[in-house]
Amino acid sequence: EIVLTQSPGTLSLSPGQRATLSCRASQSVSSIYLAWYQQKPGQAPRLLISDASVRATGIPDRFSGSGSGTDFTLTISRLEPEDFAVYYCRQYGSSPYTFGQGTKLEIK
Amino acid sequence: EVQLVQSGAEVKKPGGSLKISCKASGYSFTTHWITWVRQMPGKGLQWMGTIYPGDSDTRYSPSFQGQVTISVDKSISTAYLQWSSLRASDTAIYYCARGTGVLDCWGQGTLVTVSS
Repeated sequence: EIVLTQSPGTLSLSPGQRATLSCRASQSVSSIYLAWYQQKPGQAPRLLISDASVRATGIPDRFSGSGSGTDFTLTISRLEPEDFAVYYCRQYGSSPYTFGQGTKLEIK
Repeated sequence: EVQLVQSGAEVKKPGGSLKISCKASGYSFTTHWITWVRQMPGKGLQWMGTIYPGDSDTRYSPSFQGQVTISVDKSISTAYLQWSSLRASDTAIYYCARGTGVLDCWGQGTLVTVSS
């Protein structure tokens, strides 16, 4: 089973700043089969990025994904108030498909 | 519009049985996998299993194999997650989502509380 470790656990930033979230896999993720999800309190998760870097429909271009192998990054270029949430990565290259433990992005 | 609408919150006693549902609309139900995800209180997301409605091919996470049953009723575009004997540790929000690798549409979640 591939273990995904997200860092940091909590990231405190201000609106307008740049956020960089990391997702590291315990072994290489097949191809680029990694996705990012956003979850706000009381809501279901929402797909942001698939195949490491492909934004889902309707996702603003301030969200970008990169990486391959064992190291992946979600970048939010300029934080908006609605971006403060918990972010999860998930690999789907090797069954069982696994989630990271999440990064909480909070307002500083 | 693609939508997954889940059944309402449940409160059950330990040892009881339960079946929750996820009704799909706005797309061809039989040609997209449906995945179930657990979120325990204050915790992260856990993949439970996934089913292909077209032929009911079902895959379970090793952590949930034998603990739950995933099924579908194609005639009403609905997927199910069921327990035969609930435990307090099953208390969680359960989400269904479309897809198996990429989960591109999620239900609103069903809160299951197991308490004596």
